[in-house]
Amino acid sequence: QQQVKQSPQSLIVQKGGISIINCAYENTAFDYFPWYQQFPGKGPALLIAIRPDVSEKKEGRFTISFNKSAKQFSLHIMDSQPGDSATYFCAASSQAAGNKLTFGGGTRVLVKP
Amino acid sequence: GAGVSQSPSNKVTEKGKDVELRCDPISGHTALYWYRQSLGQGLEFLIYFQGNSAPDKSGLPSDRFSAERTGGSVSTLTIQRTQQEDSAVYLCASSSTYRVGNEQFFGPGTRLTVL
Repeated sequence: QQQVKQSPQSLIVQKGGISIINCAYENTAFDYFPWYQQFPGKGPALLIAIRPDVSEKKEGRFTISFNKSAKQFSLHIMDSQPGDSATYFCAASSQAAGNKLTFGGGTRVLVKP
Repeated sequence: GAGVSQSPSNKVTEKGKDVELRCDPISGHTALYWYRQSLGQGLEFLIYFQGNSAPDKSGLPSDRFSAERTGGSVSTLTIQRTQQEDSAVYLCASSSTYRVGNEQFFGPGTRLTVL
């Protein structure tokens, strides 16, 4: 059972453009929603995270939008740069379940100069 | 300070052999997680340790997989009688406290190839 669905699988955007990645979850017990960035040969690194009592969180060029009723959340990367080219994973976890992360399938983002 | 380290970085083994993968978490982190990243299954949870509590083994795919954490620090993931479908990158992560939204820091992973 895929509890977190992520789309699109891949994305190409021009430098300066906006990258948008969407995720949907099923388990209403999830209480933490992080986004991870992964470069080839490296482990995932936390980019930004949100809790369900907040509808939006912005950190620099990265924004999470969260819709609790729809059980959806998204990552917006503004002014995309070639250095943002990476694979992005959304995830969700529940404190009651030990904070173990359930990941989406990943989105490979390519920013063209 | 030092991050999460894993060894070896790469491991090639023959089908049927046993392998051990090591994880050194960030000093002082009480929670330690193992995940597996493969082309077919994406990133999936395997097992986690929190302090002295019994580990949550709910993600282990078969009884060939086991893990231990000694002294609340270093962890070893053991795969017995390896199969080709075990080929994947095995990632370890640690976090400092057992609270909602606590960041998990990932190591670089061990790439396991079973021939």
